[in-house]
Amino acid sequence: GAGVSQSPSNKVTEKGKDVELRCDPISGHTALYWYRQSLGQGLEFLIYFQGNSAPDKSGLPSDRFSAERTGGSVSTLTIQRTQQEDSAVYLCASSPGGLGNTEAFFGQGTRLTVV
Amino acid sequence: SQKIEQNSEALNIQEGKTATLTCNYTNYSPAYLQWYRQDPGRGPVFLLLIRENEKEKRKERLKVTFDTTLKQSLFHITASQPADSATYLCALAATDSWGKFQFGAGTQVVVTP
Repeated sequence: GAGVSQSPSNKVTEKGKDVELRCDPISGHTALYWYRQSLGQGLEFLIYFQGNSAPDKSGLPSDRFSAERTGGSVSTLTIQRTQQEDSAVYLCASSPGGLGNTEAFFGQGTRLTVV
Repeated sequence: SQKIEQNSEALNIQEGKTATLTCNYTNYSPAYLQWYRQDPGRGPVFLLLIRENEKEKRKERLKVTFDTTLKQSLFHITASQPADSATYLCALAATDSWGKFQFGAGTQVVVTP
């Protein structure tokens, strides 16, 4: 597709359940990012993938959070044993990579509500 | 710890005037700084990028300055229009992790006719 695609757009889950959020980046983009945004707040960095390098996981808030990127393309963010404080909009972005090409293109986000 | 600060108060401005937003940072050795626009319910949209060795960048009615001595970037919207109403976010990447950028909390701009 033309842009970054995220699915689902909305997800309501019960506390304690696991959820998977999907991101399809722009074709050819080597860098992929996950952020989360709580209501009225800024973007909180979660994880960053660049090519075949080991991901930068320094923003993951706990070991309940994990992410993978298969074949350098699609990424899945998994939250295990969800808690109410996990409720937020999860945003994925991709960029062409390289020092001169760091403009990031964001998806519309997945709104996660934990009840 | 690294911090990026933007005015949390909304900026209310009359159509046609210039809006000026501030992004201050501490404990960063920045490689570059970006500005994004975010509308309600949407993901951020890239506007401008400025590198640490650049002082000023322009794009149409937008202008960004970057002062690494003051540790500050200013973002100007000239001849503002109601369609410019949105939240504007700055994002920094450090020289030791240039691919990873951190965002400020954003400043809301409201342009009234």
